[in-house]
Amino acid sequence: DVKVTQSSRYLVKRTGEKVFLECVQDMDHENMFWYRQDPGLGLRLIYFSYDVKMKEKGDIPEGYSVSREKKERFSLILESASTNQTSMYLCASSLVSDSPYNEQFFGPGTRLTVL
Amino acid sequence: DQQVKQNSPSLSVQEGRISILNCDYTNSMFDYFLWYKKYPAEGPTFLISISSIKDKNEDGRFTVFLNKSAKHLSLHIVPSQPGDSAVYFCAASGGGSQGNLIFGKGTKLSVKP
Repeated sequence: DVKVTQSSRYLVKRTGEKVFLECVQDMDHENMFWYRQDPGLGLRLIYFSYDVKMKEKGDIPEGYSVSREKKERFSLILESASTNQTSMYLCASSLVSDSPYNEQFFGPGTRLTVL
Repeated sequence: DQQVKQNSPSLSVQEGRISILNCDYTNSMFDYFLWYKKYPAEGPTFLISISSIKDKNEDGRFTVFLNKSAKHLSLHIVPSQPGDSAVYFCAASGGGSQGNLIFGKGTKLSVKP
């Protein structure tokens, strides 16, 4: 059974803190993604990665960075958390990068609150 | 500019009736479309997909219809059940999306008992 796990389901941080969100997939997928979901805005892509050590900006990368040192792990970093980064963060993975038939598998999400 | 649009933020349906969720897209090069279902505090789960070479795909109570000329797809749920209450996201890929999925903003479906 395919599985994407995220390190925390709920997280509360203070403004200015450095925040790490971890995502691990056990499907040997090449592609990994970080989204945030906000009411009325749907899923917005923050960053994605097609391979180890590779990263690409999504639609809303400002205020975020990522790290992919191992194929199965993709980390999202908030260098200095701000209240407007309070959101649901979703990690996803998919198998191939050059096929359009690329279903993404999502983790359970991390609800981050920045006070 | 939104390439995938779900113009109805919410939909309320009586149990047993048909739910129809709509999705429009602007990029004619999209060639694969997916529907995801999301419950609160959970990640989205894949529901059903359709390739652009088809105009219909059916899986149990769920059917997706694709009208390429109108750049429109719809998800039909028959019969609707209270457990179907969730947010449904339409997504598209192909056409220069670098293999990524382009998501709509979602439609919240409420099925009343």
